[in-house]
Amino acid sequence: KNQVEQSPQSLIILEGKNCTLQCNYTVSPFSNLRWYKQDTGRGPVSLTIMTFSENTKSNGRYTATLDADTKQSSLHITASQLSDSASYICVVSAQNNYGQNFVFGPGTRLSVLP
Amino acid sequence: DAGVIQSPRHEVTEMGQEVTLRCKPISGHNSLFWYRQTMMRGLELLIYFNNNVPIDDSGMPEDRFSAKMPNASFSTLKIQPSEPRDSAVYFCASSFTGDQPQHFGDGTRLSIL
Repeated sequence: KNQVEQSPQSLIILEGKNCTLQCNYTVSPFSNLRWYKQDTGRGPVSLTIMTFSENTKSNGRYTATLDADTKQSSLHITASQLSDSASYICVVSAQNNYGQNFVFGPGTRLSVLP
Repeated sequence: DAGVIQSPRHEVTEMGQEVTLRCKPISGHNSLFWYRQTMMRGLELLIYFNNNVPIDDSGMPEDRFSAKMPNASFSTLKIQPSEPRDSAVYFCASSFTGDQPQHFGDGTRLSIL
């Protein structure tokens, strides 16, 4: 069964600290993995998208890694800011007969405190 | 660039009524997606279109839901008749192609009483 798990479910850190969010998946055939940031009351915003051959991709203070062998990804946030408080969603897409099938993780709720 | 535009932002209606949600994708984007988000189930893909053609509607929960894309700049998601369990936030997203980053609208918060 295609599935995406994320940990932790929620996380509280102090402003300026680093943190790492985890994503494990059992999706095949793998097409790509995406990280989204969703602020409360807003739509998700794309942070990174990685294909099978990519193992690291950065977007400012956000760095995503992908280990296709162990089917794990992480999102590292450096020098956190109050505006990083949001839900972070991992999405893995698989190729199917129609094109792509998107499997969503439940998200990690990050709170950055001053 | 105005981004993906959804309307209405909020909708409250009684069960049994027809509900129509609207979406204007980003100009030039060829793929359009409809999602539903609830606390219990998270984000779920309902249907997506490529070049105005429905590609995968396997996520549409039942026949009460229908989606159309009559042209490249407009799509609708219709629920008829609506039920309280349809209450959720419905997002529309678009991208250049199906494997490119998706740009989401701010959603329609739907409450069925």
